Amino acid sequence: DTGVSQDPRHKITKRGQNVTFRCDPISEHNRLYWYRQTLGQGPEFLTYFQNEAQLEKSRLLSDRFSAERPKGSFSTLEIQRTEQGDSAMYLCASSEQGYEAFFGQGTRLTVV
Amino acid sequence: AQSVTQPDIHITVSEGASLELRCNYSYGATPYLFWYVQSPGQGLQLLLKYFSGDTLVQGIKGFEAEFKRSQSSFNLRKPSVHWSDAAEYFCAVGAPGTYKYIFGTGTRLKVLA
Repeated sequence: DTGVSQDPRHKITKRGQNVTFRCDPISEHNRLYWYRQTLGQGPEFLTYFQNEAQLEKSRLLSDRFSAERPKGSFSTLEIQRTEQGDSAMYLCASSEQGYEAFFGQGTRLTVV
Repeated sequence: AQSVTQPDIHITVSEGASLELRCNYSYGATPYLFWYVQSPGQGLQLLLKYFSGDTLVQGIKGFEAEFKRSQSSFNLRKPSVHWSDAAEYFCAVGAPGTYKYIFGTGTRLKVLA
């Protein structure tokens, strides 16, 4: 297992377009997290899943954002009608219950 | 409110010098504590963690951190810095049971040859 994998690594999109990111967690991990990191800041929690259930969503996750983990394995994060303020690094992490989270390399989104 | 403070935005040290990065937290109970390192354009790598027990924890790459409950601190130390340690360092607290991490704003480390 090579760790948490995120795709794509970079995405440039025009304002108003929809984008979708994928995260493949470490295979035995039942918890999966999404964070957003803007320039000069630490990561901010967006949401997390235990298996396929989305157990918590931050108020940062507006109605334009949706995350899924349909079979309790990989997860997708979709942003609809992107805005320039959505430009950030989107980080995915996974963990076993009760243990530390391991992060992927992130997807850097640039909205032009 | 739960928060993590890293008071030093930038730190510059000479290669071979010792290093201490500060982290203070505000939390209702004893949280889980972490230090992560991030190289430019990359994700986060876990350096070390504290859950309970011995308050001095050892991590990878020669780093260690000490949990001081009375000071609500979890400072990161390294006795001799290498040029490859130049990166951004994040302190984080986690809620036992949920693992929703709260991160500090990071400390960018520059190492002079």
